[in-house]
Amino acid sequence: KQEVTQIPAALSVPEGENLVLNCSFTDSAIYNLQWFRQDPGKGLTSLLLIQSSQREQTSGRLNASLDKSSGRSTLYIAASQPGDSATYLCAVRGRGGSEKLVFGKGTKLTVNP
Amino acid sequence: GAGVSQSPSNKVTEKGKDVELRCDPISGHTALYWYRQSLGQGLEFLIYFQGNSAPDKSGLPSDRFSAERTGGSVSTLTIQRTQQEDSAVYLCASSLIGTGADQPQHFGDGTRLSIL
Repeated sequence: KQEVTQIPAALSVPEGENLVLNCSFTDSAIYNLQWFRQDPGKGLTSLLLIQSSQREQTSGRLNASLDKSSGRSTLYIAASQPGDSATYLCAVRGRGGSEKLVFGKGTKLTVNP
Repeated sequence: GAGVSQSPSNKVTEKGKDVELRCDPISGHTALYWYRQSLGQGLEFLIYFQGNSAPDKSGLPSDRFSAERTGGSVSTLTIQRTQQEDSAVYLCASSLIGTGADQPQHFGDGTRLSIL
């Protein structure tokens, strides 16, 4: 059974700092990995999707990497801003025909002005 | 609208009552998913629709839970004889399937269900 773990559970940083969020998964037979952002009381916003054949994806100040063999992904946020404060969720889609995503419990990020 | 729409946004009901939650996916999205987000449990998959059929309903926690999708569009999640442990945020997502490339799942804002 696929399990996804995110460390740390919470992170507080000053504005302008570069930071890394970590995600690990137990079964390397994945189809893709997605990073999401969730604001309080809201749904999830897709940030980046990495195919299993890819090593990284970039969007603006965000860069996500994937090391499938070691079961790890990182989300790098450059020059953090208070507006980046949210919970960041990592999710993997497994192989074998299932379309479902298996989620980690998230990292709650606070960027202080 | 442009995004996934869920209704109601909040629902409070008494234990033992039945509830229906609605999801309007993004137009043209053939795949639809229901997830549940509980405190301490994170996000859990419930059911996946491709068109009107549900090839994966492995996440439904009991036979009190059922879902249907009509016209390849709107979906309804029904919980019968609600229990307090059903209290959670129920999230719906949709995506394009069969385009030859992975497509992300797009989520609605969810229905916050509280069972008294």
